[in-house]
Amino acid sequence: DAGITQSPRHKVTETGTPVTLRCHQTENHRYMYWYRQDPGHGLRLIHYSYGVKDTDKGEVSDGYSVSRSKTEDFLLTLESATSSQTSVYFCAIRGQDMNTEAFFGQGTRLTVV
Amino acid sequence: DAKTTQPTSMDCAEGRAANLPCNHSTISGNEYVYWYRQIHSQGPQYIIHGLKNNETNEMASLIITEDRKSSTLILPHATLRDTAVYYCIVRGPGQKVTFGTGTKLQVIP
Repeated sequence: DAGITQSPRHKVTETGTPVTLRCHQTENHRYMYWYRQDPGHGLRLIHYSYGVKDTDKGEVSDGYSVSRSKTEDFLLTLESATSSQTSVYFCAIRGQDMNTEAFFGQGTRLTVV
Repeated sequence: DAKTTQPTSMDCAEGRAANLPCNHSTISGNEYVYWYRQIHSQGPQYIIHGLKNNETNEMASLIITEDRKSSTLILPHATLRDTAVYYCIVRGPGQKVTFGTGTKLQVIP
């Protein structure tokens, strides 16, 4: 597997609490992505980063924020978790070359009760 | 980003070739075709990609039509472990990696 680690792997939290998911890479790749996956929807892009402190929104960014203060870490924050944010979250990394493939982490299963 | 169309599901007999189609009729000249798969609840796994020439690696072959409006992923000898959801994606330089809903391939003993 590519050097990409997600933490935590599982988390249960209460509605209204803040939650931060971490994606850590050892590949020095430029691009990093956060997706969520729900039954019937496939993978949907939340936010992505194209460099340190450079981020942009994906298709389902409401309720989420991200930060990338260094190349190796991309943090996804739910400021006030809601039950609709119960999902499996995947991080992905990709190098700068035009046709390079993306590598995915093993996912974080988040349950908001 | 170009959109792709894939069948929702397919079955394939174990040991036979699995041919998974993908339509990408609005693909641009600098966009590549990528295939990933997701086994059970694991993270998606890269399989193969190409621009306009057919490609082959240890996992699969990718056949792209001359007009590049469609492609086919071929698993030459499907095994039970190939049961997964297969995603076809088109992406150009600087574009986001956007997934559709993919094809659920069931390999039958």
